[in-house]
Amino acid sequence: ETGVTQTPRHLVMGMTNKKSLKCEQHLGHNAMYWYKQSAKKPLELMFVYNFKEQTENNSVPSRFSPECPNSSHLFLHLHTLQPEDSALYLCASSQEFDREYEKLFFGSGTQLSVL
Amino acid sequence: KQEVTQIPAALSVPEGENLVLNCSFTDSAIYNLQWFRQDPGKGLTSLLLIQSSQREQTSGRLNASLDKSSGRSTLYIAASQPGDSATYLCAVRPLRSNYQLIWGAGTKLIIKP
Repeated sequence: ETGVTQTPRHLVMGMTNKKSLKCEQHLGHNAMYWYKQSAKKPLELMFVYNFKEQTENNSVPSRFSPECPNSSHLFLHLHTLQPEDSALYLCASSQEFDREYEKLFFGSGTQLSVL
Repeated sequence: KQEVTQIPAALSVPEGENLVLNCSFTDSAIYNLQWFRQDPGKGLTSLLLIQSSQREQTSGRLNASLDKSSGRSTLYIAASQPGDSATYLCAVRPLRSNYQLIWGAGTKLIIKP
């Protein structure tokens, strides 16, 4: 079993749908992250949770709503998305955030298509 | 504002060649620089992390160098193999933002058998 697991792997949704992405880490880490990866663009950090507390929201539209019920699980709730939100959504974890030499461990991502 | 650039965006070479991938950044005030590998449709795997006080790091056939003063890093891959085909990304951790990595857009590498 991989350290960071994301489900589903693929998701197609209409602009009026509500869906959720799930991330689970089995590494005993305390920090979890959501990243957005669009084609040919650098990764964009969306949210950071450290010890279940949201520490960063990088000006992400409110149609994306994160939830972190415990240190092992992270959700991204989606509603009324736009076609430009189509991208690969990556979850990552680290022992903690805000440490100089922290390494990130990534899940395989959810490829999202918004029609 | 820190910016990270990777050139070229894509590279195709025959198997067995030694090759160099480039990463440049605009602000030398960094904690570290990391190289990652991403296979198609997959997440990222950390390859090497170079601290700001270091000049290079090695792991197997991979060697990453860091020249902070010139804002450059290279990833050297020796004796390339088809299994090395992937997208390689570099990211820096700026001193003034100790949690947020600044990413390059990546170099897509294809090793032809």
